[in-house]
Amino acid sequence: AQSVTQLDSQVPVFEEAPVELRCNYSSSVSVYLFWYVQYPNQGLQLLLKYLSGSTLVKGINGFEAEFNKSQTSFHLRKPSVHISDTAEYFCAVSALTGANNLFFGTGTRLTVIP
Amino acid sequence: GAGVSQSPRYKVAKRGQDVALRCDPISGHVSLFWYQQALGQGPEFLTYFQNEAQLDKSGLPSDRFFAERPEGSVSTLKIQRTQQEDSAVYLCASSLSPRNEKLFFGSGTQLSVL
Repeated sequence: AQSVTQLDSQVPVFEEAPVELRCNYSSSVSVYLFWYVQYPNQGLQLLLKYLSGSTLVKGINGFEAEFNKSQTSFHLRKPSVHISDTAEYFCAVSALTGANNLFFGTGTRLTVIP
Repeated sequence: GAGVSQSPRYKVAKRGQDVALRCDPISGHVSLFWYQQALGQGPEFLTYFQNEAQLDKSGLPSDRFFAERPEGSVSTLKIQRTQQEDSAVYLCASSLSPRNEKLFFGSGTQLSVL
């Protein structure tokens, strides 16, 4: 099975500052990696995903993440955050083959301070 | 439809009561997933359908939990003899492909068992 660790439960950051949300995963097989965002009173929305190819993936709203296989990490970054980025962010992992379920981390609450 | 729709949005049940939670996936989506999200936690996989076939129910916590998708579209998650530990947000997600590369989530049903 796979598992995900999100090291920071809450991250406050000032508007227009850069941010990094950390994600580490554990798996004995090759994986897909995802970041989902949950805005208040809304469903989770896919932010970006790594399936194969370039280890730097770009997503919506200016976010990007880098897959680091040696460090089993998939940290999410944005160079300049906006108030509207305030939300809960979930990292998730799935095996390439076999079981078709996502394993989610416990989430990181990003709060952008004006 | 425009998105994944779940009903009811909120459900309060007395301990021991049976509940049924409904999910309307995006039209044409092959895959449907149910997740359980406890307060302060990430979503946890419950079960997965490909069309009408339930291919994985390994995440269902007990035999009180039952899910169906008889015609390959709408799905119902039923919980019998609810317990307080069943209190959580139940999320439904659908995907166009058989795999989970991009899931579309509903807003969830918040179940409170008193």
